[in-house]
Amino acid sequence: DAGVTQSPTHLIKTRGQQVTLRCSPKSGHDTVSWYQQALGQGPQFIFQYYEEEERQRGNFPDRFSGHQFPNYSSELNVNALLLGDSALYLCASSLAVEYSGANVLTFGAGSRLTVL
Amino acid sequence: RKEVEQDPGPFNVPEGATVAFNCTYSNSASQSFFWYRQDCRKEPKLLMSVYSSGNEDGRFTAQLNRASQYISLLIRDSKLSDSATYLCVVNGKNYGGATNKLIFGTGTLLAVQP
Repeated sequence: DAGVTQSPTHLIKTRGQQVTLRCSPKSGHDTVSWYQQALGQGPQFIFQYYEEEERQRGNFPDRFSGHQFPNYSSELNVNALLLGDSALYLCASSLAVEYSGANVLTFGAGSRLTVL
Repeated sequence: RKEVEQDPGPFNVPEGATVAFNCTYSNSASQSFFWYRQDCRKEPKLLMSVYSSGNEDGRFTAQLNRASQYISLLIRDSKLSDSATYLCVVNGKNYGGATNKLIFGTGTLLAVQP
């Protein structure tokens, strides 16, 4: 099954540290979006990468940055971790379409980050 | 005001019951609407898209009212396996992105009791 894979699945960091999360999109997909899901909340859009560029960004500070590689995989980096960054980080892949219609996202199982 | 609002529940219903979830959205320019299902500590998965004409998939029926900016999901003959969080989702404004970002509600928790 060539679904979306994320690593690591769980990790614990302390305040002020930096973290890198990784995502491999579903086979055939070229766009990667990152979402943050805090406990009891719905996922919130962080940013989207296509053609190795950040294309859209949600309301997240510059501490959140990312990268997309030529093979379409992506990384999410968070610097200067805060307690409030504890959440499930979801990667979703899709296939870019010219018309901004109903595109279906495929989500990975997520990386659960705990900041102490 | 949140862009997508849902009743967080929980909805506790017996097996076989019919349950309805409602959702409102604030951006009248939204074009795409979905219901996602999320099991405990798992990723969200697409349950169904929602169209103005209404659509049905087995025991699940989704409706969209653009004038009221209102989306609904009806589950008939509830099963234990339907227990999950149901997320109302609309597409956000595309600021030059390759595909639209999705705006999620907080989700409604459904617990089907034996």
